[in-house]
This record gives sequence, structure tokens and C-alpha cells, in this order.
Amino acid sequence: EIVLTQSPDFQSVTPKEKVTITCRASQSIGSSLHWYQQKPDQSPKLLIKYASQSFSGVPSRFSGSGSGTDFTLTINSLEAEDAATYYCHQSSSLPRTFGQGTKVEIK
Amino acid sequence: EVQLVESGGGLVQPGGSLRLSCAASGFTFSSYWMSWVRQAPGKGLEWVANIKQDGSEKYYVDSVKGRFTISRDNAKNSLYLQMNSLRAEDTAVYYCARVWAVAGTGPFHYWGQGTLVTVSS
Repeated sequence: EIVLTQSPDFQSVTPKEKVTITCRASQSIGSSLHWYQQKPDQSPKLLIKYASQSFSGVPSRFSGSGSGTDFTLTINSLEAEDAATYYCHQSSSLPRTFGQGTKVEIK
Repeated sequence: EVQLVESGGGLVQPGGSLRLSCAASGFTFSSYWMSWVRQAPGKGLEWVANIKQDGSEKYYVDSVKGRFTISRDNAKNSLYLQMNSLRAEDTAVYYCARVWAVAGTGPFHYWGQGTLVTVSS
């Protein structure tokens, strides 16, 4: 099983600041890494697919990078509406696994 | 517009059974792999099961193998999860999700709103 480890677990950020969340895989997964945003009492929403491909309708301040075992989600100029928990997910092999989540709070 | 609407959740005693349903619309259901993903209260996401377009391939997370069965009815545009021998640790919101790629790989593109399953005496 591929284990995904996100850091940090929690981040408190001021609006307009830049946020960086990392996801490390326990073995190489190529670019089969995806990012989701989940707001309280809502379903997860796809933000970034295949490490760096922006999903349709997602604001341009969200971007992803990385390959192999190390990946990054970046939120440039954080907005209040970005308060949420962010998860990485790998589709390289079964079982599909998720990172433990990173909660982003707005100061 | 793609819609996935889950139903069938509720309170069940340990050892009991429950069948979840997911009604799909807005896309050609029979063309996509489908999945169930769950989230325990206050916890992260956990993939539960996948099923191929024609139902010929099914995969499960180890913790539910032998207890849960994923199935689909393409004529009814519906996905199901039969859950038997339920345990307290199965308590979660269960989401139905459509897989991105026809090949069954890639992210979970669309998600339902979820249905809560509570296993408790």
C-alpha cells in the first residue's frame, strides 16, 4: 500500500499570503497524484489532477507540482473562501490512498 | 449537469446489514468506473471499492473485503454498496464518486453529497 504523508497537518494563514502544502509518497507514483479541497459539511472537490493539471473552473491561484514521491500544492494569495481541508490522493496503484489532510484556517 | 445522489444510510446495530444506493445522471453511466469513498466523523478520506463499467472487475480496501459488495445496474444508472457484518469502525459518511478516466485510473472527478452510516447499539 502506498502511504501519502502531508505536511503540515494545520496551517493558520493571513489573507493574501502564500500557502504551500506538501505530499510525500512512500514509493514512486509518477504523476498519478491529485489534490482535493473539502469545506465543512461539503463533499471533496477536485482541484488539481496528475500533479500539475488544473481542473476546469478552479481559480488560477491554485497550482500543483512534483513527480515521483514529492508533490506540492500551492495557493497564491489566499482568499477567505479557501479555508478548507486539502487532501492528496494517488491513483497509481490499489488500494487507492489519501493523505491525512491539511486544514487551512484563515487568521 | 452531472449528479450523484446517495441514499440508504442510517443507524444499524453491529453485525447488521445496510445497502447504499447512488443514482447517477448527466453522463453516460455505463462508460465509467465508479467508486465508494468513506469518511469517518472528523477524519480523513478512505477509498472503499471500485467497479468497472460492466461490473466484471471489483476491488476493495482490505478492511471491507468479504463483508462489502459493490455492484451496479447500468440500465438504472445506479451504483450500490451492500454492507454486511457492520462494525463500529464502519461508521462514516459514504460518498459515491465517478472516476476520471474510462480506463479506471485518475482522480475522483465527481462526488455525491454523501450518506451517513452509523453503526451503534
